[in-house]
Amino acid sequence: AQSVTQPDIHITVSEGASLELRCNYSYGATPYLFWYVQSPGQGLQLLLKYFSGDTLVQGIKGFEAEFKRSQSSFNLRKPSVHWSDAAEYFCAVGAGGFQKLVFGTGTRLLVSP
Amino acid sequence: DGGITQSPKYLFRKEGQNVTLSCEQNLNHDAMYWYRQDPGQGLRLIYYSQIVNDFQKGDIAEGYSVSREKKESFPLTVTSAQKNPTAFYLCASSTGTLTGNTIYFGEGSWLTVV
Repeated sequence: AQSVTQPDIHITVSEGASLELRCNYSYGATPYLFWYVQSPGQGLQLLLKYFSGDTLVQGIKGFEAEFKRSQSSFNLRKPSVHWSDAAEYFCAVGAGGFQKLVFGTGTRLLVSP
Repeated sequence: DGGITQSPKYLFRKEGQNVTLSCEQNLNHDAMYWYRQDPGQGLRLIYYSQIVNDFQKGDIAEGYSVSREKKESFPLTVTSAQKNPTAFYLCASSTGTLTGNTIYFGEGSWLTVV
C-alpha cells in the first residue's frame, strides 16, 4: 500500500526567504502526487499535481514541486515566501484505478516578519 | 459560483446522539467523498460514492453512514456508535474516481461531542 511521509511538522521561514517542504512517498509504481494547502479551519486547495512527463511541476501561487523517482520524493518549493503563505501543507499520493488519496500528516508553515 | 457547501460549520452533539452533516455540490461531479481530519493525522477517508445510489466504505467507516440519493448531495451521519467523533469533517468531490481527477474540497464542518 502506498504511504506518504512529511518529516517536518512545523517550519518557520522569514518573509522573502525561499521555502522547501519535504515529501517522501512509498509506492511500487509511478505514483500520482499532489500538494494541497489548508488555511486554518478551512478546506483544502490544490496547489499542483504530478502524473507523468516533466518532473518539475508548476502550480498556483508561485509554487513548484519536483518529482525525484530515485529519492521517492516530491518536495514543494517557493523562491520567496509571503506572509499569506502561512498555512498547513499536505502532500498526497494516489495510485491505481480508484481515486483514493493517501495524505501525509501535514507541515505547518509559519512566516516571520 | 460553483463549489461545495458544507453545513453546519460548527456542531455540538451530546454523547449518544446521531448527527448529520450536509454536503452539497453544484460542480456536476459524479464522485463524492467524506474525510475526517484529526490533528497530526492528516486526512482519512470515511466513505465515497462514485455514482448516485452507490457508495463504498473507506478506511474508517465504522460508526458512520451515508446516502447518495441525488448527484449533488452526499450527507454524512455520525452515529452514536462512533467512539471518538470529535473532529473536522471534509466533504469533497471530483469528476470521476480515476486517479488523476482532481479532488475539490468543501470548507469543512467541526463536530464536537459534549
